Amino acid sequence: EVQLVESGGGLAQPGRSLRLSCATSGFTFGDYALIWFRQAPGKGLEWVGFIRSKAHGGTIEYAASVTGRFTISRDDSKSIAYLQMNSLKIEDTAVYYCSRVSRSALGNYWYYMDVWGKGTTVTVSS
Amino acid sequence: EMVLTQSPATLSLSPGERATLSCRASQSVSSYLAWYQQKPGQAPRLLIYDASNRATGIPARFSGSGSETDFTLTISSLEPEDVAVYYCQQRSNWLFGGGTKVEIK
Repeated sequence: EVQLVESGGGLAQPGRSLRLSCATSGFTFGDYALIWFRQAPGKGLEWVGFIRSKAHGGTIEYAASVTGRFTISRDDSKSIAYLQMNSLKIEDTAVYYCSRVSRSALGNYWYYMDVWGKGTTVTVSS
Repeated sequence: EMVLTQSPATLSLSPGERATLSCRASQSVSSYLAWYQQKPGQAPRLLIYDASNRATGIPARFSGSGSETDFTLTISSLEPEDVAVYYCQQRSNWLFGGGTKVEIK
């Protein structure tokens, strides 16, 4: 069974750091891109960052709202992805999800998320 | 910038009724569109990808159609467990629509 399990959430003060982990199983981790989303209370889904597989360059993209503060990485030997969150702001409060990105059957576009973790809650408050 | 507009914002129907949800893109996305279901307190779940392909394990009452800028998610016969927010998503910039909340009357 394909699984993604996020951990590392919790309460942090503004300006502090947290590191989220996304532990995966049931598939060949190195073959897939991973993406982090977040969802503030009562709001929609917002992408945070994305990391391609090493076969596709391992490149990383970030949403403008987190660029310079958040860092995504992956450890293919452990099948784990990470989201390092520094300089946290109150507006970073959300449930954070990691997801596996899959490729369209129509062409070489990796764009839809076929497996999601249950999420981990991050609360930034003084 | 690409915008996905979903309508209606809320859909209230009786069990067994047909639900029709719309997603309109501000520019063509070809057929690179996915639909997700998010139940309260849960993570999103993929329903449809490439506009019309049902994801693994998704009941046949869910179907997707459309191309270019206009897409539809249809639930042929609404079940109580279908109460959720439904989001569409296209291939650029990981952008989601604002969602349609489906309620049972």
